[in-house]
Amino acid sequence: AQRVTQPEKLLSVFKGAPVELKCNYSYSGSPELFWYVQYSRQRLQLLLRHISRESIKGFTADLNKGETSFHLKKPFAQEEDSAMYYCALRGSQGNLIFGKGTKLSVKP
Amino acid sequence: DAGITQSPRYKITETGRQVTLMCHQTWSHSYMFWYRQDLGHGLRLIYYSAAADITDKGEVPDGYVVSRSKTENFPLTLESATRSQTSVYFCASRDSRFRSYEQYFGPGTRLTVT
Repeated sequence: AQRVTQPEKLLSVFKGAPVELKCNYSYSGSPELFWYVQYSRQRLQLLLRHISRESIKGFTADLNKGETSFHLKKPFAQEEDSAMYYCALRGSQGNLIFGKGTKLSVKP
Repeated sequence: DAGITQSPRYKITETGRQVTLMCHQTWSHSYMFWYRQDLGHGLRLIYYSAAADITDKGEVPDGYVVSRSKTENFPLTLESATRSQTSVYFCASRDSRFRSYEQYFGPGTRLTVT
C-alpha cells in the first residue's frame, strides 16, 4: 500500500530553534517524495523534492530508504515559517499521495 | 500568465443542490487533479484526468462527477450536495513531458453545504 505518515499534527517551536517535521512513507519501488507548504489561506506550493536535493528557504530533506523517511529540517526556525506542511509521495496513478499535514507554529 | 485558477473562491449551497466548481489552467498541462482538503485527513484525491476526454476515479469519488472536453478546463460537479461535502477543494495540474511529478495547485474553493 502507498501511504504517507506525518505523526505530528502540530509542532510548536521558538524562533531560532531547530525544526524537524517527520515524514514516513510506504511504497514498493523507487519513491519520489515532495514537501509542500501552505501558508495561511493560500494555495499549496512546492517547497522541495528529493530528486533535486535543493535547500529552499533554509529547509532540507534527505530521503532515507532504509528508514523509509523523508524528514524536513531547518536549523533555525523563523516566524514566517509558520504554516501547514504536507509530505507527499508520487502515486501509481500519477497523482500525489499526501500525509495529513503538520502545522508548524514558530513563536517569537 | 494566470497559471491555474479556480472559481468560485467561496460558495455556499444547500443540501441537494447541484454545484459546479471550475478549474482552468493556461499551461496546457496534460494532467489535472481534484483534491479535497479536510482537517485530520490532509488532501485526498477525488478525480484526475490524464488528458482531454480521459478521466479516472481517485480515493474519494462518490458524489462527484468530472468532465474534460478541453485540455485547459476540468470542472468538478457535485450532483446533489451533502453536508459531508463541505470542504476546501483544490485543483492541480502537472506537465507530463517532464520526469518530475510536481503538481501546481490552484487557490482553492471553499464550499459550505448547509
